[in-house]
Amino acid sequence: EAQVTQNPRYLITVTGKKLTVTCSQNMNHEYMSWYRQDPGLGLRQIYYSMNVEVTDKGDVPEGYKVSRKEKRNFPLILESPSPNQTSLYFCASSSDRAAYEQYFGPGTRLTVT
Amino acid sequence: QKEVEQDPGPLSVPEGAIVSLNCTYSNSAFQYFMWYRQYSRKGPELLMYTYSSGNKEDGRFTAQVDKSSKYISLFIRDSQPSDSATYLCAMNQGSNYKLTFGKGTLLTVNP
Repeated sequence: EAQVTQNPRYLITVTGKKLTVTCSQNMNHEYMSWYRQDPGLGLRQIYYSMNVEVTDKGDVPEGYKVSRKEKRNFPLILESPSPNQTSLYFCASSSDRAAYEQYFGPGTRLTVT
Repeated sequence: QKEVEQDPGPLSVPEGAIVSLNCTYSNSAFQYFMWYRQYSRKGPELLMYTYSSGNKEDGRFTAQVDKSSKYISLFIRDSQPSDSATYLCAMNQGSNYKLTFGKGTLLTVNP
């Protein structure tokens, strides 16, 4: 089954404690992206990757890091989480033949206290 | 002016009603126009896409794009309770992977 998986699905952590949210896709897609979704603000892109070792900032990259060492994986790293990073996070992927069709993971709900 | 504007609703209709969802945009470079559906506690999934102007129909769903007015619509005929979800419009220039999303409209179809 074609899918994007994210782990963990739910996470409660404290300010300053480094965390990683993993994302993996099994569709051999070139493009992967991270979004955060907040009430009243909608989906905002954090970082994206065009392919292995190629990443770039989205609209709200501050406080986040990413890496793309393998085509299937695109982890999101919060080095020092803060309460304003409490949000619902989605990973997405798409192929270069259909950039408009992004496949989204199930989401990770992060709470930073 | 935001690149994509979408009324967040919420919108509540009775089963069987025709639903109209809309977005306006300011960037004339957008070429692909998408509607994503997001059920509660799920990730968005692509419902329909349209390239450039025109209409596209898929079952009970019709997407319309009017590039001259920078206005896109999604119509749902004979709405069902299973259509209850948040509908997000999204746009893409075609030259890159970036999608610009509206904030989404929460739709509830009451049986």
